[in-house]
Amino acid sequence: DTGVSQDPRHKITKRGQNVTFRCDPISEHNRLYWYRQTLGQGPEFLTYFQNEAQLEKSRLLSDRFSAERPKGSFSTLEIQRTEQGDSAMYLCASSFDRVISGNTIYFGEGSWLTVV
Amino acid sequence: TQLLEQSPQFLSIQEGENLTVYCNSSSVFSSLQWYRQEPGEGPVLLVTVVTGGEVKKLKRLTFQFGDARKDSSLHITAAQPGDTGLYLCAGVDNAGKSTFGDGTTLTVKP
Repeated sequence: DTGVSQDPRHKITKRGQNVTFRCDPISEHNRLYWYRQTLGQGPEFLTYFQNEAQLEKSRLLSDRFSAERPKGSFSTLEIQRTEQGDSAMYLCASSFDRVISGNTIYFGEGSWLTVV
Repeated sequence: TQLLEQSPQFLSIQEGENLTVYCNSSSVFSSLQWYRQEPGEGPVLLVTVVTGGEVKKLKRLTFQFGDARKDSSLHITAAQPGDTGLYLCAGVDNAGKSTFGDGTTLTVKP
């Protein structure tokens, strides 16, 4: 297994356009997370899935953002009508739900979004 | 809301020096992770600590989880330029969700 993979790695889009990011988690992991990170800050939680169920969404996730994990494997994060404030790195992570031993999450390389 | 505060925010030292960075919270976590992140890349896991008072060593890095599972420290001995990066701590709650601090940016000068 090659770890968590994200696509595309970089995306430049004009304000108002829609963008979609894809995440393929580590194959045996049942949890998948989306985080957003801006310069000088740590990753901020957006949402997470256990299998195909979306369990929690942050207040940061406005109605322009939607995430899906239709078959409990890969996930997509779509941003509609992008704004310049959406420019950030979008990180995907996955884990195997194992709270007792730490529920360690493993990150992908991230998808950089620049809205111009 | 669980907040994690990391200190110092920035640290610049000479090669060979020792350093300690801290991760503090008022919340209790089921576990805590330390990650290292380089510019333009995702965070890479260094260690997970689970038990209060636990100490883990990874070569020149020593990680400690506080007895009350609210705080943690990372100590680096004889720092090298390759240690340069952003060090992030993340606390895991009982639901398995991770909350990150804003990190310590470490620069080790040769």
